Amino acid sequence: DGGITQSPKYLFRKEGQNVTLSCEQNLNHDAMYWYRQDPGQGLRLIYYSQIVNDFQKGDIAEGYSVSREKKESFPLTVTSAQKNPTAFYLCASRGPYSNQPQHFGDGTRLSIL
Amino acid sequence: EDQVTQSPEALRLQEGESSSLNCSYTVSGLRGLFWYRQDPGKGPEFLFTLYSAGEEKEKERLKATLTKKESFLHITAPKPEDSATYLCAVQAPQGGSEKLVFGKGTKLTVNP
Repeated sequence: DGGITQSPKYLFRKEGQNVTLSCEQNLNHDAMYWYRQDPGQGLRLIYYSQIVNDFQKGDIAEGYSVSREKKESFPLTVTSAQKNPTAFYLCASRGPYSNQPQHFGDGTRLSIL
Repeated sequence: EDQVTQSPEALRLQEGESSSLNCSYTVSGLRGLFWYRQDPGKGPEFLFTLYSAGEEKEKERLKATLTKKESFLHITAPKPEDSATYLCAVQAPQGGSEKLVFGKGTKLTVNP
């Protein structure tokens, strides 16, 4: 079945450590997104990519980095510079037209040890 | 600044008790309004897209409507399995068409 796979489902980070969240899609979508979800808040955009080897910052990019070397993959690295990384991270992708809906994976929950 | 406000924050219904969720927005040049359902620990599941005022979409017990300032998600004769958080998001040209602005969601609980 076509879809978006995020891994791992749960991740723990130690102080000063970088961690990388995986997002893979087999929908043949060009556009991919990373959001952060905190309790009581709407989803906030971290980074997005419309095409391979290109990406743009969203509203809360500080402390995060991404790469887009393959169409299917859009990994997110949470760096030690992100001081409040505990959150639910969601990856999404979208079809070829900009007003089409985004489709989401099932998320990665990141916690601090 | 584009804004999306959902109300109520939480709603409890008895099985079979119909109601509506509200999503009000302030954007210039709406390109699309999206409704999602999110279960605990899961990613949002796409329900509907509405593009212009007067448009309506239906799926099982859910019906979404759109005006120039707000959208409603009507739930007819809900069942316990309809319990979830319902998210609304809007897309506008400002800030680039790639950006969706999400509301905080309405948590719906349907009691048997």
